[in-house]
Amino acid sequence: DAKTTQPPSMDCAEGRAANLPCNHSTISGNEYVYWYRQIHSQGPQYIIHGLKNNETNEMASLIITEDRKSSTLILPHATLRDTAVYYCIVRDINTGTASKLTFGTGTRLQVTL
Amino acid sequence: NAGVTQTPKFQVLKTGQSMTLQCAQDMNHEYMSWYRQDPGMGLRLIHYSVGAGITDQGEVPNGYNVSRSTTEDFPLRLLSAAPSQTSVYFCASSYAERVPYYGYTFGSGTRLTVV
Repeated sequence: DAKTTQPPSMDCAEGRAANLPCNHSTISGNEYVYWYRQIHSQGPQYIIHGLKNNETNEMASLIITEDRKSSTLILPHATLRDTAVYYCIVRDINTGTASKLTFGTGTRLQVTL
Repeated sequence: NAGVTQTPKFQVLKTGQSMTLQCAQDMNHEYMSWYRQDPGMGLRLIHYSVGAGITDQGEVPNGYNVSRSTTEDFPLRLLSAAPSQTSVYFCASSYAERVPYYGYTFGSGTRLTVV
C-alpha cells in the first residue's frame, strides 16, 4: 500500500473550516483513500473514503486531486469535539493487503475557542 | 447497543499470566481484527479474520492467539504475558474485507498493563 504523509499537528478556530492535508504521491489506481479519527484514546472512528471523485457525507468532505497524489479532509464547521488525531490511510482492496489498515502517526487537530 | 464491545476495559497482569480479551459485534460483520496501539504510535495489526473459522496473522502476531468460532465473537488470547505486551488493544469489524464502501467499526479498547 502507498505511504501517506501528514503534518503532525494543526490548529483551527471553532466554527471555522478545518482543512487537513495528506500526501500519497505513490498511490496506485486501485487504492482508496480513507480517513479515520481518534478522539482521546478512544477507538478510531471512520470518517469518509474515496477513490478519485470528491466525496461528502454528514461528517466531512474529501477532496482528491486530479492526479490522486494528495487529498484534503474538510471539516466545514469545526467544533471542540472535533479535537482528535486524524489518520489518512491508503488501502488497496483488491490485493492481500486489504486486511490491513496501516495507521501512521496522523495529524493532531486542536480546535480552540 | 449496536457496535463492537470489548471487555475488560482495563486489566493488570503479572508476567507469565494468561488471559483472553473479548470482542463481540452484533452487526453481522464478516471481517474482524485486533490492533494494538503503543504510546505515540499508530495502530498495528495483530490478527484478523475474514469469517467464522478463518483467521490469519497481521503485522505483530507473536505472543497472541485467536480463533473465530462464531460470526459475532473474536477473542484474543495472551498465553504468557510479557511487559512488552503492555498496550491498548482495539478490536475492529467490517461488513466485508474487500468491499470498499464500508469503514471499520472499532471498539473502545482494552488497556492492558503487564508488570
